[in-house]
Amino acid sequence: GNSVTQMEGPVTLSEEAFLTINCTYTATGYPSLFWYVQYPGEGLQLLLKATKADDKGSNKGFEATYRKETTSFHLEKGSVQVSDSAVYFCASGSARQLTFGSGTQLTVLP
Amino acid sequence: EAEVAQSPRYKITEKSQAVAFWCDPISGHATLYWYRQILGQGPELLVQFQDESVVDDSQLPKDRFSAERLKGVDSTLKIQPAELGDSAMYLCASSLPGQGARETQYFGPGTRLLVL
Repeated sequence: GNSVTQMEGPVTLSEEAFLTINCTYTATGYPSLFWYVQYPGEGLQLLLKATKADDKGSNKGFEATYRKETTSFHLEKGSVQVSDSAVYFCASGSARQLTFGSGTQLTVLP
Repeated sequence: EAEVAQSPRYKITEKSQAVAFWCDPISGHATLYWYRQILGQGPELLVQFQDESVVDDSQLPKDRFSAERLKGVDSTLKIQPAELGDSAMYLCASSLPGQGARETQYFGPGTRLLVL
């Protein structure tokens, strides 16, 4: 079946630091790939997505590129803010099911 | 912007009691999902509806959990009887039917269940 492995946290950064959260997937066929963000006590919000190889998803300064050759979808941001503190989930969506990684807790310190 | 609605936001119950959660998807979204998220983990699918029909309930503990979407719009998830291990966040999501889970799923705020 499909699976998603993402970098374990927690990750703690200073404001304006560069962020990378690694994500790799295994899937048959060509899944869509997603990053969701979850703030404390809330549901998941879509951050960005990519639907085919070499697509780049971007939103709010975050970016991720669908790399089929390395089966990866790493999340990056050039300069994080305190308000980016949250849990980030990588997910792979096939025709049948959306499979999530275990989440990475990000804390940004002022 | 349209959102997925869920209620209640929080529920505290004693074990062996019955609980029910409600979800109203984004208008026009034929596909509805219920997920369970244990603290510190990613969401796991419990059941998927296409309109009023169940598409996938392979991960739903059917001895105590039930779900319905009678008119193909809003949905109810029920647990009876609740057990201590059911304490979790229950998330509802909806999407356009399109390409299954390749389509973007939009999540509600969730119901946090605590079983004592």
